[in-house]
Amino acid sequence: QQQVKQSPQSLIVQKGGISIINCAYENTAFDYFPWYQQFPGKGPALLIAIRPDVSEKKEGRFTISFNKSAKQFSLHIMDSQPGDSATYFCAASKRAGGSYIPTFGRGTSLIVHP
Amino acid sequence: KAGVTQTPRYLIKTRGQQVTLSCSPISGHRSVSWYQQTPGQGLQFLFEYFSETQRNKGNFPGRFSGRQFSNSRSEMNVSTLELGDSALYLCASSPDPGVAGNTIYFGEGSWLTVV
Repeated sequence: QQQVKQSPQSLIVQKGGISIINCAYENTAFDYFPWYQQFPGKGPALLIAIRPDVSEKKEGRFTISFNKSAKQFSLHIMDSQPGDSATYFCAASKRAGGSYIPTFGRGTSLIVHP
Repeated sequence: KAGVTQTPRYLIKTRGQQVTLSCSPISGHRSVSWYQQTPGQGLQFLFEYFSETQRNKGNFPGRFSGRQFSNSRSEMNVSTLELGDSALYLCASSPDPGVAGNTIYFGEGSWLTVV
């Protein structure tokens, strides 16, 4: 059972366009929602994150939109650049055994054409 | 500060063998977690250690095990390797795993190929 569903699996946009990646979760115990960016040959790195008491968070060109009632959240990359080409993972975290453990979506491979 | 360091970076093993992967967390981080990354399943949580104690375990068979030492360094072991164990194994460390906003820092991973 996939607890965090991510779409699309792959995405191609032109430079300057908007990239949108969507995620949905089922378990209402999740209360922290980070996004990770992974370049080839590297480990994932935290990009931006949101708590469920906030509907939107913006950091530079990256925005998370969060819909608690629909149990959905999305990442918007404005003015997409070739350097944004990477795999993006959404995650949903809940506390277990004293630690917050993220459950990841399956990832979206983003290619931004120059 | 040095990042999370994993060794070896690449290795090839034969079915039935066992493998041990090592991870050195960021200095001061007491929590270490391990993930398996495959194209089909994405990132899947294996286990998490905090101060030498396993706090959480993912849904993997008992062939997958780990431990953490008093200096926070960690190892994971996979016994009786199967072809399906071929994956990128990622180690991550974090300073304060009990806080929702805690940042998890990943290493670059160990690429395991089972033939």
